[in-house]
Amino acid sequence: DGGITQSPKYLFRKEGQNVTLSCEQNLNHDAMYWYRQDPGQGLRLIYYSQIVNDFQKGDIAEGYSVSREKKESFPLTVTSAQKNPTAFYLCASHAKSGGNQPQHFGDGTRLSIL
Amino acid sequence: EDKVVQSPLSLVVHEGDTVTLNCSYEVTNFRSLLWYKQEKKAPTFLFMLTSSGIEKKSGRLSSILDKKELFSILNITATQTGDSAVYLCGQRGAGSYQLTFGKGTKLSVIP
Repeated sequence: DGGITQSPKYLFRKEGQNVTLSCEQNLNHDAMYWYRQDPGQGLRLIYYSQIVNDFQKGDIAEGYSVSREKKESFPLTVTSAQKNPTAFYLCASHAKSGGNQPQHFGDGTRLSIL
Repeated sequence: EDKVVQSPLSLVVHEGDTVTLNCSYEVTNFRSLLWYKQEKKAPTFLFMLTSSGIEKKSGRLSSILDKKELFSILNITATQTGDSAVYLCGQRGAGSYQLTFGKGTKLSVIP
């Protein structure tokens, strides 16, 4: 089945540690996104990528990094510079062809500080 | 700065009630407004609205957009406990693929 797979479902980070969240899609979508969700805050955009080897910062990019080496993969690294990383992280994608297409989401990764 | 505001932030109703969720937006170049339902994990797509006054309907859910007054509503009739979720509204500007989301409305339907 086509879809967006995020892993792991739960992740724990120690102080000073970088961790990487995986997002893989087999929908042949061009655009991919990373959001952070905190209680009562809705979804806030961290990074997005419209095409392979290119990505842009969203509203809350500080303390995060991404790469887009393959169309189907868009991993997010939460660096030690992100002082409050505890949140629910969602990856999304959509096709760009055909114009205005809705984003589809993965099941998310819940990150906590140890 | 574009801004999307949802109201109410939370709502508790009894099964069988009808609810109306609101989403207002401030944007200079509007392209579309999207509604999602989020239960425990992934938000699932409900509707995308681009034109004023045209109702989108799926079963007991419906939504409409007013581009003049810059708002959208999501109606759920004859609510069921399975409708309990956070409903997210996101707006997309012209020339852009990004969505700006509101904080969501948490709907709880009790038997």
